[in-house]
Amino acid sequence: KNEVEQSPQNLTAQEGEFITINCSYSVGISALHWLQQHPGGGIVSLFMLSSGKKKHGRLIATINIQEKHSSLHITASHPRDSAVYICAVRSTGNQFYFGTGTSLTVIP
Amino acid sequence: ETGVTQSPTHLIKTRGQQVTLRCSSQSGHNTVSWYQQALGQGPQFIFQYYREEENGRGNFPPRFSGLQFPNYSSELNVNALELDDSALYLCASSFLGGTGELFFGEGSRLTVL
Repeated sequence: KNEVEQSPQNLTAQEGEFITINCSYSVGISALHWLQQHPGGGIVSLFMLSSGKKKHGRLIATINIQEKHSSLHITASHPRDSAVYICAVRSTGNQFYFGTGTSLTVIP
Repeated sequence: ETGVTQSPTHLIKTRGQQVTLRCSSQSGHNTVSWYQQALGQGPQFIFQYYREEENGRGNFPPRFSGLQFPNYSSELNVNALELDDSALYLCASSFLGGTGELFFGEGSRLTVL
């Protein structure tokens, strides 16, 4: 069993739709990261969370430490949001564990 | 632009050879971590260096080794290359004691024939 599970694996949305990507983890963590990866490999950090909620533009990330669950929301999705979204956790033992990613395609 | 640069961007090696990949951290960052990403999969954590010492390691054999230099740049060395080592190798720098946000380089794509 993977330490980090993401769902869904693949997601297709119409432009303007509200999108949610979920992440569950099984280890004790010091931080959770949401990352965005475009074709070609480059990874961009979207959020780092240890509690609560963060918002940046149309992106919102929440975390529930008790339930070991985090969500990434995209409001008013746009074709340029098409990418792979990866959830990663830094464990209290200083290890990093990654989900397998959610491939998002936003259709105009 | 994250300020993290990796070299080389692409390279081809044959089985049994050795490879060194390099990473220049963002200015002011004291921590670097390395990841292996096979095609179609999420990254796998190899190890992390903080102030020139390894302070975290994933499930990779000892033939994966690293160094962090006083200027916080870093190397990943892989000995006795195997076909399964073909992957994108990513480094990320951060400031331990600060926000902890990760800044990734563009990666080095290694092909082992």
